[in-house]
Amino acid sequence: SSELTQPPSVSVSPGQTAKITCSGDSLPIQFAYWYHQKPGQAPVLVIYEDDKRPSGIPERFSGSSSGTTVTLTISGVQAEDEADYYCQSADSSGTIFGGGTKLTVL
Amino acid sequence: QVQLQQSDPGLVKPSETLSLTCIVSDFSINSGFYWGWIRQPPGKGLEWIGNIYHSGNSYYNPSLRSRVTISVDTSKNQFSLNLSSVTAADTAVYYCVRAVSVVGATVSFYFDNWGQGALVTVSS
Repeated sequence: SSELTQPPSVSVSPGQTAKITCSGDSLPIQFAYWYHQKPGQAPVLVIYEDDKRPSGIPERFSGSSSGTTVTLTISGVQAEDEADYYCQSADSSGTIFGGGTKLTVL
Repeated sequence: QVQLQQSDPGLVKPSETLSLTCIVSDFSINSGFYWGWIRQPPGKGLEWIGNIYHSGNSYYNPSLRSRVTISVDTSKNQFSLNLSSVTAADTAVYYCVRAVSVVGATVSFYFDNWGQGALVTVSS
């Protein structure tokens, strides 16, 4: 089965732009999805179908896709954006998740 | 807004069967979405377990397929997870989810609503 690879951690200062990548062989033919998860809480969908934002998610969250890599971009990072971020997609076996990236707001 | 309320079995003994139920409120389980389970071992990432449609059509993670049964009870607007022959490796927070199906090269899913999660510990 395929895997999704994310960097373990990303750090950014408030107001700057954070980019979190996710790489996988299935990504050219499957949509990617992104979730954030704060400690003790359930994950929340922030991007679906590569680049669409659910209602209620701030415009500073955006997604993009290029070949085997998808990227979650958070523009103008705020302290409340500190969380774990997971990408998700699919392969021939079913749903797969990346290992997660801890975003630290310095 | 759909509400997903999970049961909380707490402690399960090794080799026994873990059972969880998710009650769907303010939304019909017959409405065209799939319903599923995802788990997260303490301090680790997310693992998809499986999804089910109200008709009973289901998809399972191949690594868990031999031990997993997901069922749906439309009369009670709820769905359930049974995981047999559990070991300490099955200790995790288990989430019930609403799954949106996406038809492409294959059927895939994403998860737009999550239950609050229930920590299940496997220990004697």
